[in-house]
Amino acid sequence: QVQLVESGGGLVKPGGSLRLSCEVSGFTFSAYYMSWIRQAPGKGLEWVSYISISGSSIDYADSVKGRFTISRDNVKNSLSLQMNSLRAEDTAIYYCARGGGGYSGYDSRAYFDLWGRGALVTVSS
Amino acid sequence: DIQLTQSPSFLSASVGDRVTITCRASQGISSYLAWYQQKPGKAPKLLIYAASTLQSGVPSRFSGSGSGTEFTLTISSLQPEDFATYYCQQLNNYPRTFGQGTKLEIK
Repeated sequence: QVQLVESGGGLVKPGGSLRLSCEVSGFTFSAYYMSWIRQAPGKGLEWVSYISISGSSIDYADSVKGRFTISRDNVKNSLSLQMNSLRAEDTAIYYCARGGGGYSGYDSRAYFDLWGRGALVTVSS
Repeated sequence: DIQLTQSPSFLSASVGDRVTITCRASQGISSYLAWYQQKPGKAPKLLIYAASTLQSGVPSRFSGSGSGTEFTLTISSLQPEDFATYYCQQLNNYPRTFGQGTKLEIK
């Protein structure tokens, strides 16, 4: 079954850290860029980060740059997001998504064509 | 960063109606635009990519058009399951950006 399953969400105090994981199954993980996208309660979608197939190309939204680190393990078929120095404004559902680049813009694989169910991260004292 | 502005932000319509949502980009993005549908409590779902290509499995009542800075998503005959929030997203530049969303509600 083709799916993405996030884990690691929870309640953390401001300034704290959390590590999200995304376990992948049902497709060739090593053939896709992967991304994290978040959605604050009642708000719209915000792209957070992407990582290329090999992990050699990475980028972050300015709002998380220097605090979050994305990584992947193509042997274990997993994606991670290490989140440090968390702030109240980081409170959101974090989605693991397949895609975000790596293919022509006329190829569906470049877009976010598969999403996990999301992991809720709450930053509050 | 490329800003995407959707209009309207809220839309009230009836089953069987034809509706159109517009997405305007702050600079040209060729045809590198996608549309997603999100229902409450669920992850977004890719509907259309490359501005006008229907994702596999998506009903043909959904269609997309446009290039450059102006794009539209049209639903030809609304079905009960289409009431949701719709987002556009650009693939031309990093950071990848989304529109603010259009909430489609039942009249």
